[in-house]
Amino acid sequence: KAGVTQTPRYLIKTRGQQVTLSCSPISGHRSVSWYQQTPGQGLQFLFEYFSETQRNKGNFPGRFSGRQFSNSRSEMNVSTLELGDSALYLCASSLDNAREAFFGQGTRLTVV
Amino acid sequence: QKEVEQDPGPLSVPEGAIVSLNCTYSNSAFQYFMWYRQYSRKGPELLMYTYSSGNKEDGRFTAQVDKSSKYISLFIRDSQPSDSATYLCAMSKGAGTALIFGKGTTLSVSS
Repeated sequence: KAGVTQTPRYLIKTRGQQVTLSCSPISGHRSVSWYQQTPGQGLQFLFEYFSETQRNKGNFPGRFSGRQFSNSRSEMNVSTLELGDSALYLCASSLDNAREAFFGQGTRLTVV
Repeated sequence: QKEVEQDPGPLSVPEGAIVSLNCTYSNSAFQYFMWYRQYSRKGPELLMYTYSSGNKEDGRFTAQVDKSSKYISLFIRDSQPSDSATYLCAMSKGAGTALIFGKGTTLSVSS
C-alpha cells in the first residue's frame, strides 16, 4: 500500500515569491491535513480538508491557503513568502481525521 | 499553559533499557491519542493510536492513557539503537479537528 507522497521534497524560494506544495494521500483516505514544523514551534496545524471542503483552519495568516481535489489530492499555497516561512511542511492523510493519521516525508522549504 | 506538554529531553539510555516517554495535556475534550517517531529529516511515523483511557501494546511498545490525570505515556521495552529518534505525542478532539502535538522528546539509545 503506497504511503503519503509529497512533492517536491526540497524547495528554495526568494522572499516575496509564492510556492505550491502537493500531497497525494493514501488511497481511500479522504482527509488531508497540513502542518508546519519548525525547531522553535514544533508541529503546528495549518488546515484540514475532507471531501474537497476545508473543515478546520489553524492560526496562520491568509497567505497560507489550500485546496483539495475530487481524487483527494491536496495542494497548499503560500504567497508573498517571508523568511519565517522556512520550515518542513508536512501532509497527513487519514480516513476521517480523527483516526490514525499518516504523514508524508514533507517538503522542506527554504526562503532566502 | 500549552495544551500539550512534553519534556524535550534529551533522554539517553543504554541498549536494552526500558524507556518511558510522557505527555500531559490540559483540555479534557481530547479523545484520540497518538505517538509518532520521527527520524532526522523524515516525516513522523505513526507508532501507536489509542482512543480513550487504557493500555495498548504492540510488540516492544505500550501506550497508556489516563484521562482522569490527563496523562499519556509510551513505554519502549528492550530499546535498540535504531529507536534513537524524536518521539512526538499528539491528540485530537475528534473528526474535523486538528492534531495537537507535543514538542517532542529526543531519545538516544547507545549500544
